[in-house]
Amino acid sequence: GAVVSQHPSRVICKSGTSVKIECRSLDFQATTMFWYRQFPKKSLMLMATSNEGSKATYEQGVEKDKFLINHASLTLSTLTVTSAHPEDSSFYICSARQRGTTDTQYFGPGTRLTVL
Amino acid sequence: GDSVTQMEGPVTLSEEAFLTINCTYTATGYPSLFWYVQYPGEGLQLLLKATKADDKGSNKGFEATYRKETTSFHLEKGSVQVSDSAVYFCALTQYGNKLVFGAGTILRVKS
Repeated sequence: GAVVSQHPSRVICKSGTSVKIECRSLDFQATTMFWYRQFPKKSLMLMATSNEGSKATYEQGVEKDKFLINHASLTLSTLTVTSAHPEDSSFYICSARQRGTTDTQYFGPGTRLTVL
Repeated sequence: GDSVTQMEGPVTLSEEAFLTINCTYTATGYPSLFWYVQYPGEGLQLLLKATKADDKGSNKGFEATYRKETTSFHLEKGSVQVSDSAVYFCALTQYGNKLVFGAGTILRVKS
């Protein structure tokens, strides 16, 4: 149980295009989902927290107009990187917290974004 | 603010050796503590957790005990395998807020 999937697992795009990454909780309802960014050999950096049906809360320094987050249902959140540039290349990981719990997050397998 | 400090790696061990990865934390309240493992090219997997003082989390031969008096949550395994090679992250959360991660410790196990 408590499986989180991400799609796509890898994406390569040209500079200036937008990319959408999906995060799904497969066997539980997730009232809260989180989006992280991980640089090579580094820890995870929280980008934003999204609650189902409401606007995402972004961490300081994260551009909300560049990283659009939508959490339209209890099992799906999306991250759209708009007008991507090479510096946006990174490993993006989502996590989900199960409805009715307050501590444990379950992580997706990650999405490797490369912007040419 | 809350923080987590892990021992720096990489930690390199021979197969069947004993593993300890140190983790200490700073928090104002009573956090829940976690160990996550990340295999190359993958996301994080929950390894074990403990939610209150003196709790012991265990999974797949790994153990960690929540020590409030020393604010520690050290990860141990009695006999490591090559397949345990990965990055291990210690983390905490309080009141359902965001996870605070340590920097991660690379473990390399040689056969």
